[in-house]
Amino acid sequence: TQLLEQSPQFLSIQEGENLTVYCNSSSVFSSLQWYRQEPGEGPVLLVTVVTGGEVKKLKRLTFQFGDARKDSSLHITAAQPGDTGLYLCAGVRTSGSRLTFGEGTQLTVNP
Amino acid sequence: EPEVTQTPSHQVTQMGQEVILRCVPISNHLYFYWYRQILGQKVEFLVSFYNNEISEKSEIFDDQFSVERPDGSNFTLKIRSTKLEDSAMYFCASSLRQGLFSGNTIYFGEGSWLTVV
Repeated sequence: TQLLEQSPQFLSIQEGENLTVYCNSSSVFSSLQWYRQEPGEGPVLLVTVVTGGEVKKLKRLTFQFGDARKDSSLHITAAQPGDTGLYLCAGVRTSGSRLTFGEGTQLTVNP
Repeated sequence: EPEVTQTPSHQVTQMGQEVILRCVPISNHLYFYWYRQILGQKVEFLVSFYNNEISEKSEIFDDQFSVERPDGSNFTLKIRSTKLEDSAMYFCASSLRQGLFSGNTIYFGEGSWLTVV
């Protein structure tokens, strides 16, 4: 079983603060994705990272894939209440499509 | 924005009953998946389906489960004899191509919440 561990599990911050969410594994992943999930809905893809060391930016969100492709981070700058949600990392180890999900980080941004 | 649609959104069933969850993947997609999420737990892979056959399945996907693409648009998950521990949110997903890489998005439906009593 390839495990992805996310930290922290819960994060509550004030609007305007910065935060980083981590996704770690002892296994190498060929690629990794970050999703956001709202209550009662399915995960929605934010980004895919495939190359070790890759950094991708999506407005105030910065995603990084570790050099060894075992870990990833999501950094949010100047968080807003609209960023509130469950952030999930998910990876694929081989060329298949089986996604292994982390348990998620529940982010709450207070106004 | 293309979307995967699932029905029903919520179903309550008696233990031992058969359940069929339905999904309409995005029309030009070729790869189809079912995942499930037990309340408070992580999203888990069940099965992937391509070219009218299962391409990969997890340990969870035992003989009680089956998938079918009965026509050109629907993709179904059948649970033959439901157990209490089958209670979960079941997500259907689809993608145009296999694998995770930039430009290949796996789209998830909004889920079917199954409660077994």
